[in-house]
Amino acid sequence: EPEVTQTPSHQVTQMGQEVILRCVPISNHLYFYWYRQILGQKVEFLVSFYNNEISEKSEIFDDQFSVERPDGSNFTLKIRSTKLEDSAMYFCASRRGQAYGYTFGSGTRLTVV
Amino acid sequence: AQTVTQSQPEMSVQEAETVTLSCTYDTSESNYYLFWYKQPPSRQMILVIRQEAYKQQNATENRFSVNFQKAAKSFSLKISDSQLGDTAMYFCAFMKHGGGGSNYKLTFGKGTLLTVNP
Repeated sequence: EPEVTQTPSHQVTQMGQEVILRCVPISNHLYFYWYRQILGQKVEFLVSFYNNEISEKSEIFDDQFSVERPDGSNFTLKIRSTKLEDSAMYFCASRRGQAYGYTFGSGTRLTVV
Repeated sequence: AQTVTQSQPEMSVQEAETVTLSCTYDTSESNYYLFWYKQPPSRQMILVIRQEAYKQQNATENRFSVNFQKAAKSFSLKISDSQLGDTAMYFCAFMKHGGGGSNYKLTFGKGTLLTVNP
């Protein structure tokens, strides 16, 4: 069964550093998403991406964050100048079309120290 | 904006027994989907079951079934013949349908931690 692949599975970074979280969505999927789950809390929507542009973003997704689909296969989330409160599990997800559900990746655990 | 409420932070059940997890939601939309996701200790989000709001028939997937009460905005998950591998965090989620790609984001509840005891 096709999978959404996320790398790395765990990343530790110093506060103030930039990180790039990588995702390879399922190849025939059209809609791409990033969600975040702070430990012990609910999963929160960050951003959706369709047709090579952001279609919606949450209030969490401020100028510190950016997304890119540079080569038609990878989908990246960049966090500039990380803060301690950015420590969380970040999930990438993709969806084939309007009537279809999500497939989530296994997540990247980001720890900011 | 939509909200999803799971009022049971934790539940436990004996192996082979049946357990029901509760979920309520609030929306003014008429066309939407509801989901239950399972998150085992590996932290991956796994789709358990989904329900289209326009369908009156409750969805079923093997040992998992839902009780969807649209008027009451309730969407509970029943797990029959519970297995040790069902131990996980379970999230209820809402997705509005229609109006373009941006309307398909998921709104999650806070989750219910289910422990299946041997």
